[in-house]
Amino acid sequence: KAGVTQTPRYLIKTRGQQVTLSCSPISGHRSVSWYQQTPGQGLQFLFEYFSETQRNKGNFPGRFSGRQFSNSRSEMNVSTLELGDSALYLCASSADRGDTDTQYFGPGTRLTVL
Amino acid sequence: GQNIDQPTEMTATEGAIVQINCTYQTSGFNGLFWYQQHAGEAPTFLSYNVLDGLEEKGRFSSFLSRSKGYSYLLLKELQMKDSASYLCAVRDGNKLTFGTGTQLKVEL
Repeated sequence: KAGVTQTPRYLIKTRGQQVTLSCSPISGHRSVSWYQQTPGQGLQFLFEYFSETQRNKGNFPGRFSGRQFSNSRSEMNVSTLELGDSALYLCASSADRGDTDTQYFGPGTRLTVL
Repeated sequence: GQNIDQPTEMTATEGAIVQINCTYQTSGFNGLFWYQQHAGEAPTFLSYNVLDGLEEKGRFSSFLSRSKGYSYLLLKELQMKDSASYLCAVRDGNKLTFGTGTQLKVEL
């Protein structure tokens, strides 16, 4: 089975712009979660989607949004970019089959905001 | 609220054993995960504990005590390739909360 894929792998934007990141989960996985990773804060949960619905949300401002499509692929969008949004954005998918469910991570998108 | 603590850095010698501790205080608990992350790469799943006790998987073992809010990851026969960040994560429902990770350096 192919793993989780994320595109693009690297992105450079300027302050005020917006960006859309894409994630394709492992085939058969219905849950997709997004995380932001920075050296100071570690991995922080952004949101989780299941069956095209946002099921959980972390403590991030409304500039961060996402969606999931019927094929379980997911996108996240960040509007009005700030310097502090520079980070590695990781997507993880899981089969959502109960308590032993494991999240598998994609390689991430490295976003740099200038 | 969620609070997960791990040591920031550890150093160990090739061939030795190292134990990485994780303590947590979370509002909900559905299990504890350990992930390994090499620099510039995605986290990869190592182990999962939901019941108290030890889970062994080759050179890696993980222990959980739910009453103490405590887990550890034990790495045996350390190899240079084990130099990485080790992340402890607690699951509450469908959400994972991560510690900031322990950077392990394996030296000759």
